[in-house]
Amino acid sequence: NAGVMQNPRHLVRRRGQEARLRCSPVKGHSHVYWYRQLPEEGLKFMVYLQKENIIDESGMPKERFSAEFPKEGPSILRIQQVVRGDSAAYFCASSRDSNYGYTFGSGTRLTVV
Amino acid sequence: EDQVTQSPEALRLQEGESSSLNCSYTVSGLRGLFWYRQDPGKGPEFLFTLYSAGEEKEKERLKATLTKKESFLHITAPKPEDSATYLCAARGRFGNEKLTFGTGTRLTIIP
Repeated sequence: NAGVMQNPRHLVRRRGQEARLRCSPVKGHSHVYWYRQLPEEGLKFMVYLQKENIIDESGMPKERFSAEFPKEGPSILRIQQVVRGDSAAYFCASSRDSNYGYTFGSGTRLTVV
Repeated sequence: EDQVTQSPEALRLQEGESSSLNCSYTVSGLRGLFWYRQDPGKGPEFLFTLYSAGEEKEKERLKATLTKKESFLHITAPKPEDSATYLCAARGRFGNEKLTFGTGTRLTIIP
């Protein structure tokens, strides 16, 4: 499978718990992007990473949210102490470099109860 | 701040009835106007990228065009399988590589 792999597809967390969302980019892609989609809203940029570097995190909430893309392994979006407002679909996209289009994964649907 | 607005929000067409979807954008230094298709419960699927006014791209029943302020996605003789939400996104000069998305047009093709 040459696509962007996200897991889990669905994640349920109680308020106050931590959520970890994983994204394996297309093989050979070194740029990873995270977007959030709230019901009836468009996709909103969160963070842009390259291997071991955060390039742009201007869309990330200042507290509770963090992202990483280590040298080995998938990119991780981590949400600490989740609240009901964090319930959304989180999409990861990857690209080879900035001159190419983006391939999106199928998303992780987070529900906070 | 970059802005992208899509219209209409929803569109119902009879099978074979051609139409166009609109995407208006305000972006500093456009470095790409993207069209994606999104089916329920799935991620966006890439359709086209346009870079300069006057550019056109086609794929099966879809054709995307670009002006300095808008992009159109023309759908010719649509089939029920074309039913989906169509998303438009812009990449500007000052936003690193991030895309600014519109809220989409939900297209339904009635057999």
